Parts: sequence; C-alpha cells; structure tokens
Amino acid sequence: DVKVTQSSRYLVKRTGEKVFLECVQDMDHENMFWYRQDPGLGLRLIYFSYDVKMKEKGDIPEGYSVSREKKERFSLILESASTNQTSMYLCASSRRSGTKGYTFGSGTRLTVV
Amino acid sequence: SQQGEEDPQALSIQEGENATMNCSYKTSINNLQWYRQNSGRGLVHLILIRSNEREKHSGRLRVTLDTSKKSSSLLITASRAADTASYFCATDSYGGATNKLIFGTGTLLAVQP
Repeated sequence: DVKVTQSSRYLVKRTGEKVFLECVQDMDHENMFWYRQDPGLGLRLIYFSYDVKMKEKGDIPEGYSVSREKKERFSLILESASTNQTSMYLCASSRRSGTKGYTFGSGTRLTVV
Repeated sequence: SQQGEEDPQALSIQEGENATMNCSYKTSINNLQWYRQNSGRGLVHLILIRSNEREKHSGRLRVTLDTSKKSSSLLITASRAADTASYFCATDSYGGATNKLIFGTGTLLAVQP
C-alpha cells in the first residue's frame, strides 16, 4: 500500500525551539507539499517542492523553511517555534502532472507552549 | 489565499438521504478535486474533474463542474454513517514550475444512523 509517512503524530515543543517535521513518501512522486490546517481557515500551503533541492514558497511561508535532499523526503523546519504555529501540519505528494490527485500523510498535530 | 469556498459549512442528514456540497472558486483552473477527511486525520482523494468535463461519477459520488459560474458540486447518494467526515474541494491552477492545489475551508457532513 503506497503511503506518505509523517514522523510524528503529536508533538509538543517550547517557544523558541527549532522544530523538524519529517515526511517520507514511497511512490517516487516528484512533487511534495506542506500544508497547515486551522479551524475555519482550511488548508493553507506553506511550501512545496517539485524536485530534489528545489522549493517554492506557498501562501504562508513566514517562519518556516524546508529541505529536500532526497526525492522521497521533505522536511519542514520551524526555525524558532512560536505559539501561533500551533496547528495540524499535513504533508502530501503527487506526480508532476498532479492529475491523479495528492496523497496525504496522517498529519502531525504540533503544540507550541 | 483561499480559492475554493464550500457551502454549506455544515450539513446533517439521515442515513439513506443524499448529500450535496457546493464549491465556488475565483480563477481559471486545470482541474478541480474533492477530498475527504475523517476527524483529525489526513485527506483522502475522492475524485478529479478536468476543466473540460461537466460531470463525473465514481461509485456513489457525482461531481459536476460549471466553469462559466466557477462552481462545482459533490453529490453523495444513499449516504451512510461512515460518510461522516469533512469534505474539501481543491483547485489546481498551473503557476510556476508545477501544479499546486488550493483548498477551500470544507463542509462538515454528519450522517445520522
């Protein structure tokens, strides 16, 4: 069964910590995405990558960075976590064309205290 | 930026009834997709309709697309309690190096047994 795996289901971090969220896909997909989901706001795109070492900003990149050193792995980095980054983080991947839809991971619920 | 807006925000029906959810969007699209999310989990791709298609079926799902009105609807026939979930529309607009999906805020469907 093909899948996107997010390393943690729940995380609690302190304000100011550097936080790494990891995502791995086993479908040889070219594209990978990071979204955050907040009540009433739906899913908002943080960053995406269409190839190894390539990245593009989404709608809300401030306070985040990403890394894609290998095709199957896309990491989201919170350089200095803040309470307003408490959220559900969802990773997804797709073929370059995107015509088969996205495959999502189960999500990481991050709480910054 | 939110591209899709779902209507209604919440819908409660009895098992066996049909459920209709609507989505409006703002800009030209390549395709429109519908996803389902069970509580606190990742999203699952349901169906994709291309901009040159008007209607598509998949099992108990029927999707329509009206590009002149920039709107889509998702119909779930003969609903079951297991259909209880949030449903999101997402628009695929090519811009830059790859496709990316912009999601709406979702419709919360509750199917009462």
